[in-house]
Amino acid sequence: QITLKESGPTLVRPTQTLTLTCTFSGFSLSTSGVGVGWIRQPPGKALEWLAVIYWDDDKYYSPSLKSRLTITKDTSKNQVVLIMTNMDPVDTATYYCAHRPSEYSGYGYWGQGTLVTVSS
Amino acid sequence: SYELTQALSVSVTLGQTARITCVGNNIGSKNVHWYQQKPGQAPVLVIYRDKNRPSGIPERFSGSNSGDTATLTISRAQAGDEADYYCQVWDSSTGRHVFGPGTKVTVL
Repeated sequence: QITLKESGPTLVRPTQTLTLTCTFSGFSLSTSGVGVGWIRQPPGKALEWLAVIYWDDDKYYSPSLKSRLTITKDTSKNQVVLIMTNMDPVDTATYYCAHRPSEYSGYGYWGQGTLVTVSS
Repeated sequence: SYELTQALSVSVTLGQTARITCVGNNIGSKNVHWYQQKPGQAPVLVIYRDKNRPSGIPERFSGSNSGDTATLTISRAQAGDEADYYCQVWDSSTGRHVFGPGTKVTVL
């Protein structure tokens, strides 16, 4: 059974750095083809893809946020970490991590999401 | 960068068929995935690789993809199908993933 869970601060001040951790079980991020992505959703708005990291440590980022994002993995801990710098109130959103079994597949398993509010 | 377009909303009468489209340049050459999201819940994959249903997804959900348009079809619509639906592709030229803006489906 595949599960993912996001953790991190619920409140971040403007200009601060956000660090979110995705802890997963039921699969290995060292298995060929597997990826874990981050997707966010501002209140009442659409899904926005942020970043993905693959089993071979390949990483890809949203073009509009690339300069502010870093994604890393710790295979031994079954964790993926997303760092977003210079947070702004417009970054207030629910942040999801999700599992992708191969490059031809969608995100089949999602975490419950974590709401991050950016406010002074 | 690659962009997807979806209608803001679609209405369907109970028991009838709803068609949700996702438009993108030569989207027929890409694998399209569809997600259903109900209020307060995480998205659920309902169609992957254009036309495949994950286990547990009713046969009423089907997909197609050709040319510049991918379509999610919900047959015999039920009240429980009311949700936002998002299409998503992987842009192989950049390695980046793209979501459509979403379509709100209302069952009348």
